[in-house]
Amino acid sequence: AQSVTQLGSHVSVSEGALVLLRCNYSSSVPPYLFWYVQYPNQGLQLLLKYTTGATLVKGINGFEAEFKKSETSFHLTKPSAHMSDAAEYFCAVRAMDTGRRALTFGSGTRLQVQP
Amino acid sequence: EAGVAQSPRYKIIEKRQSVAFWCNPISGHATLYWYQQILGQGPKLLIQFQNNGVVDDSQLPKDRFSAERLKGVDSTLKIQPAKLEDSAVYLCASSGTGTGLYEQYFGPGTRLTVT
Repeated sequence: AQSVTQLGSHVSVSEGALVLLRCNYSSSVPPYLFWYVQYPNQGLQLLLKYTTGATLVKGINGFEAEFKKSETSFHLTKPSAHMSDAAEYFCAVRAMDTGRRALTFGSGTRLQVQP
Repeated sequence: EAGVAQSPRYKIIEKRQSVAFWCNPISGHATLYWYQQILGQGPKLLIQFQNNGVVDDSQLPKDRFSAERLKGVDSTLKIQPAKLEDSAVYLCASSGTGTGLYEQYFGPGTRLTVT
């Protein structure tokens, strides 16, 4: 069984400030981990993923995330927020090595960027 | 390449009516997913197809929801009869093979309102 907890349903930062969105997961088997972004009235877009190898992964739009197995975390960061980053962000987990490739999502974090 | 297509984008029906949603995945993608996203929550898997076979429908309310993917390409999700709690965005996603099997590509979704 898998689950994802995203701490903070709303996060507000100033333009140019550090963005930190927190994600902790629970999985009985080694996981694949994902961050998706959702803009209003749109589907989800993949930001980045961790499958194997390097634990620090870089994604699109300057985002990156670090897989920390000991902390069961996969927090999303961006050094400097832009107004265009305002959106809803979802962390998701998928069990490795299974035909059941469906994702289990967290409840989402809405990021507001203040000018 | 063309993305995942969904129609209609919006639908308003009264409770106890029926409704159907259509999804056309990215060309060549063998795996297709339907997710339900209730307002303020992350997407939740309803059903996963591999080609035209069902891999996982454990969270599909089978007394009222049905889905098919007859030729292993496009898919239809039906609700009959609809309940108020079915108001949600219905997202279709697809994934391919090789390195692409890690990534799910999402359509824009169908927003269903049941009154």
